[in-house]
Amino acid sequence: NAGVTQTPKFQVLKTGQSMTLQCAQDMNHEYMSWYRQDPGMGLRLIHYSVGAGITDQGEVPNGYNVSRSTTEDFPLRLLSAAPSQTSVYFCASSYEDTQYFGPGTRLTVL
Amino acid sequence: DAKTTQPPSMDCAEGRAANLPCNHSTISGNEYVYWYRQIHSQGPQYIIHGLKNNETNEMASLIITEDRKSSTLILPHATLRDTAVYYCIVRARGKLIFGQGTELSVKP
Repeated sequence: NAGVTQTPKFQVLKTGQSMTLQCAQDMNHEYMSWYRQDPGMGLRLIHYSVGAGITDQGEVPNGYNVSRSTTEDFPLRLLSAAPSQTSVYFCASSYEDTQYFGPGTRLTVL
Repeated sequence: DAKTTQPPSMDCAEGRAANLPCNHSTISGNEYVYWYRQIHSQGPQYIIHGLKNNETNEMASLIITEDRKSSTLILPHATLRDTAVYYCIVRARGKLIFGQGTELSVKP
């Protein structure tokens, strides 16, 4: 099993550009989530999904969209990137109360 | 979701037990206590969780007070590789809400 994979590992965007952060898991987990982590801070929940076709907002959803068309994939879309979205983004999937995190995507918005 | 309070940092000597406290005074009856750790900007790693009873696994022990308002994570024999940020999380309704965590430094 590859576990939870995220692409890209690093990304630099200009203000106003859009992009999609990819997240995939091969463990057949129903629950998936996206977090962001800013320097010196804990993780903040952006969006989460309890299964294909079902998504919901977390603590900091503004500026981000998600969809869940398959169990395996849970992409995070930035529609118009802003410098405030510079952060490290972690995707996670969950089975029986345990969350498994991906390696993260480091995003810089100039 | 209940909020948690942890000390921002702690030190521990290598080979000694590390006891990391967490206060969660507003916890509800159906909320679990979870512990995760994050080593040097990697993705967080699950350690242990519990509801009422004390729990132990190969990584750590979790002691929850009888009133459930606080808990302690115990790493019985800390090593240098246990240096990390440790997060205590109270979870309900499928969401994990992370706080600031405790930065544990294990020193030789």
